[in-house]
Amino acid sequence: AQSVTQLDSQVPVFEEAPVELRCNYSSSVSVYLFWYVQYPNQGLQLLLKYLSGSTLVKGINGFEAEFNKSQTSFHLRKPSVHISDTAEYFCAVSGDGGTSYGKLTFGQGTILTVHP
Amino acid sequence: GAGVSQSPSNKVTEKGKDVELRCDPISGHTALYWYRQSLGQGLEFLIYFQGNSAPDKSGLPSDRFSAERTGGSVSTLTIQRTQQEDSAVYLCASSKRTGHNEQFFGPGTRLTVL
Repeated sequence: AQSVTQLDSQVPVFEEAPVELRCNYSSSVSVYLFWYVQYPNQGLQLLLKYLSGSTLVKGINGFEAEFNKSQTSFHLRKPSVHISDTAEYFCAVSGDGGTSYGKLTFGQGTILTVHP
Repeated sequence: GAGVSQSPSNKVTEKGKDVELRCDPISGHTALYWYRQSLGQGLEFLIYFQGNSAPDKSGLPSDRFSAERTGGSVSTLTIQRTQQEDSAVYLCASSKRTGHNEQFFGPGTRLTVL
């Protein structure tokens, strides 16, 4: 079984400031991690994913995340945010095999609000 | 190219009525997933299909919920005798195959049970 905890429900930040959205996970087997973004009244869009290899993953819109196995974390970062980054962000872990292969378990979401 | 589409976009129904929600996946995607997004529970997995079969139905909340997929394409999620706690946004996603592949999400159907 796996679970995901997003440590902050809301993160306010000023435009051009750096931001970090925190995500911790638990899983009994191999881990595959994702960050999705949901803009108002839209579906989910994949930002980036970690399947294997380099622990630093780069995604769309200037976002990146680092997989840290010892701390069971997959925090999302952006060095300079824009107003258009205002959205809800979801961390997710993929099913660990068997009949649940590929099924996503999501965190509760973090609402990022970028102020001018 | 066309993404995942869902219909209707909004559905308001009375308690006790049955509803059908439709999902059209991206052409050629063999895996299809249903999730539910609600204020109290966040994003929850409901069921997934590989082709027309559903290996994992573990997320369906009760036997009032059922889903089918035909022709390896369109899927329908049916909720019988709707209850107010069924009010949520129902999201559909598809991917090229099961596994750790990117899931492409539709815009969702917002269901309101009065």
